[in-house]
Amino acid sequence: SAVISQKPSRDICQRGTSLTIQCQVDSQVTMMFWYRQQPGQSLTLIATANQGSEATYESGFVIDKFPISRPNLTFSTLTVSNMSPEDSSIYLCSVWAAGTASYEQYFGPGTRLTVT
Amino acid sequence: RKEVEQDPGPFNVPEGATVAFNCTYSNSASQSFFWYRQDCRKEPKLLMSVYSSGNEDGRFTAQLNRASQYISLLIRDSKLSDSATYLCVVNGAGNMLTFGGGTRLMVKP
Repeated sequence: SAVISQKPSRDICQRGTSLTIQCQVDSQVTMMFWYRQQPGQSLTLIATANQGSEATYESGFVIDKFPISRPNLTFSTLTVSNMSPEDSSIYLCSVWAAGTASYEQYFGPGTRLTVT
Repeated sequence: RKEVEQDPGPFNVPEGATVAFNCTYSNSASQSFFWYRQDCRKEPKLLMSVYSSGNEDGRFTAQLNRASQYISLLIRDSKLSDSATYLCVVNGAGNMLTFGGGTRLMVKP
């Protein structure tokens, strides 16, 4: 299994500012994933963060808006830049790790962001 | 068309009832299938994987129909603690998971 922690757990930010979310995993993993879950919606993949290379962004997400760092195999950050109220969402970090029967995807507890 | 589609519900059922959720996916090349459970204000957690032959875990039965690109989850003898949102998840190339919109279940006493 994998135990994932995120900081902060929640924040209220003013529009135009930026917030950096930290994700820490208790084991070394090759890929870390960042998801967004908007109110009442399901999860949407923002990007995949690989150690030692640039993150791979999904359609609709760009590096200037969501810069990602991956300095080592247990840690990643996601920055939400120049925030607007539309960025209000839960941001979740995720990794693949060995489960009880096979590999499964584990999620951090999420960071609840409100932009005013 | 969404890649993974689910009926959003909510499904309101009494304790002890049997309830079934369905999910369809559009990418015929999808390799792996899962049901995740998400409690209110919590992160998603794996409920069960879905295998081609169908699989059962206690009160939960998952089935996959590749020809129809259809996945189901059956919950028997519903408990109050089963109340949650159930997410249908499909794994395509590169270990990328695509999530359905989720089906909300509310089990009432």
